[in-house]
Amino acid sequence: DQQVKQNSPSLSVQEGRISILNCDYTNSMFDYFLWYKKYPAEGPTFLISISSIKDKNEDGRFTVFLNKSAKHLSLHIVPSQPGDSAVYFCAASESMGNSGYSTLTFGKGTMLLVSP
Amino acid sequence: DAGITQSPRHKVTETGTPVTLRCHQTENHRYMYWYRQDPGHGLRLIHYSYGVKDTDKGEVSDGYSVSRSKTEDFLLTLESATSSQTSVYFCATGAYRGETQYFGPGTRLLVL
Repeated sequence: DQQVKQNSPSLSVQEGRISILNCDYTNSMFDYFLWYKKYPAEGPTFLISISSIKDKNEDGRFTVFLNKSAKHLSLHIVPSQPGDSAVYFCAASESMGNSGYSTLTFGKGTMLLVSP
Repeated sequence: DAGITQSPRHKVTETGTPVTLRCHQTENHRYMYWYRQDPGHGLRLIHYSYGVKDTDKGEVSDGYSVSRSKTEDFLLTLESATSSQTSVYFCATGAYRGETQYFGPGTRLLVL
């Protein structure tokens, strides 16, 4: 049973436009979310995260929005650049109280292609 | 980024042979993880460690074992490799479980 879903396997965007990558989750206990970017033949690299106490977090061109009631988060990239072409993974974990957080659960990823 | 290396980077082996993959970190992170990445499945957790000699199973642990005798090293062993274990294996580390993790470059394993 997939708890973190990235329903779009791929997305194509023109350079300079906005890229919106979506992620849905089914476990209502998830309260910490992360986005990773992965280039071919490399390991994933951390992009941005958000805690459930927030609904938005920004870092430069990257903004993550969290809609807890809809169990949905999105990553906005503005403006998109060809170098952003990569696979993007959404991940989530839940607080375990004094034990910290659970291990991360990853989505299957969305391949973003930004064309010049 | 955390200094994480994986060895070997590529390996071809035959069904039934044992295989050990090594992950080495220089960041002194408490947590270390092994994932596999397969088309259509994303990243799936195999095992993780929360300290020297302390390990726990992940989502897809069958057929794999791990060991951590030093903070900086985390070994993944396939006792008897099968073709279904052909995959790309990533090691990751983190200071806290379930929070930001830093990934190694990956090991591409082909089991014939």
